[in-house]
Amino acid sequence: SAVISQKPSRDICQRGTSLTIQCQVDSQVTMMFWYRQQPGQSLTLIATANQGSEATYESGFVIDKFPISRPNLTFSTLTVSNMSPEDSSIYLCSVEGLSETQYFGPGTRLLVL
Amino acid sequence: SQQGEEDPQALSIQEGENATMNCSYKTSINNLQWYRQNSGRGLVHLILIRSNEREKHSGRLRVTLDTSKKSSSLLITASRAADTASYFCATDWEGSYIPTFGRGTSLIVHP
Repeated sequence: SAVISQKPSRDICQRGTSLTIQCQVDSQVTMMFWYRQQPGQSLTLIATANQGSEATYESGFVIDKFPISRPNLTFSTLTVSNMSPEDSSIYLCSVEGLSETQYFGPGTRLLVL
Repeated sequence: SQQGEEDPQALSIQEGENATMNCSYKTSINNLQWYRQNSGRGLVHLILIRSNEREKHSGRLRVTLDTSKKSSSLLITASRAADTASYFCATDWEGSYIPTFGRGTSLIVHP
């Protein structure tokens, strides 16, 4: 199994600012995924991040709002730009494990005031 | 949408009782998975069942899959207070290996 860490674990931000979330994996992985989980809701996939190429965004998510970096096979960042209270969520990164399972990081809990 | 829907949304039981959660989905799947999320934490994979399987066990967990009804159930036997968490089903299908998650069932086990 993969061990995944995220920074920060939580943050409180002001409207209009941006926050960059880091995701570190203890092994090299081809694909990393970023999810958003709004309060009391399910997980929604934001984008898939491959090393060396641009991230692939899901419907409803755009690069200008959620720019993603993937500089190497163990690390990725997600930036939440020009934040509004509607961006208050838990943001989770994950990687694909064996047999189509996924391993998740502990999440970043974001509150936008 | 392929998104699974868990039922019930919330379940409250006493320690030692069994907990049953259901998941329904709309289109044919390759795999169905169950995950657990403790409050404010990441998700932990519990069990995966493939479309050609009908039942799987892992410790106190029992998962069934009925593809004719497009539904799955997760049974936790002899529940413990530590089982208190949200449980999500996730499905993937041919051509889309990234699982889609349901809304989850919030389980509370009272000691």
